[in-house]
Amino acid sequence: DQQVKQNSPSLSVQEGRISILNCDYTNSMFDYFLWYKKYPAEGPTFLISISSIKDKNEDGRFTVFLNKSAKHLSLHIVPSQPGDSAVYFCAASLTSYDKVIFGPGTSLSVIP
Amino acid sequence: KAGVTQTPRYLIKTRGQQVTLSCSPISGHRSVSWYQQTPGQGLQFLFEYFSETQRNKGNFPGRFSGRQFSNSRSEMNVSTLELGDSALYLCASSAGQVYLSGANVLTFGAGSRLTVL
Repeated sequence: DQQVKQNSPSLSVQEGRISILNCDYTNSMFDYFLWYKKYPAEGPTFLISISSIKDKNEDGRFTVFLNKSAKHLSLHIVPSQPGDSAVYFCAASLTSYDKVIFGPGTSLSVIP
Repeated sequence: KAGVTQTPRYLIKTRGQQVTLSCSPISGHRSVSWYQQTPGQGLQFLFEYFSETQRNKGNFPGRFSGRQFSNSRSEMNVSTLELGDSALYLCASSAGQVYLSGANVLTFGAGSRLTVL
């Protein structure tokens, strides 16, 4: 049973435009949500996180929005750059030390 | 400081064999988690070790096992390999202490690519 879902396997965006990556989850007890980026032949790298008590967190070009009632979060990248082309994973955990559960990922292509 | 180091990076085994993968966490990190990545399945959680004890476990068969040493280095073992075990195995470390607040931010290694023939 996939507790963290990313229903779009891939996304293409023009350079300079906004990229919106979506994620849905089933467990309302999740307390923390994270986004990771992964390039080929490398391990995932942490991008940004948000706790369940917030609805928005921003870090430079990256903003994560959380809608608890809809069990939905999204990652906005503005403006998108070719170097952002990677696989993006949404992840969640129940506590600050519990296992982190990942979604299947969305492959983002930013076209110059 | 040095990142998470995984060895070997690539290996090829045949069905029925067993394999051991190694992970050295970031200095000071006491938690090590293991994940399996296959196409379309994302990162599937295998298990997590903290202070030499398995603290969390995923839904993998008993052929998958792990351990952690007193220096926080970890190994995972897969016995009786099957074709479906071909995957990228990722190790991640974090501070892991219960009293810490904030998200459990994992730092990943580059992974060990296992091919089973």
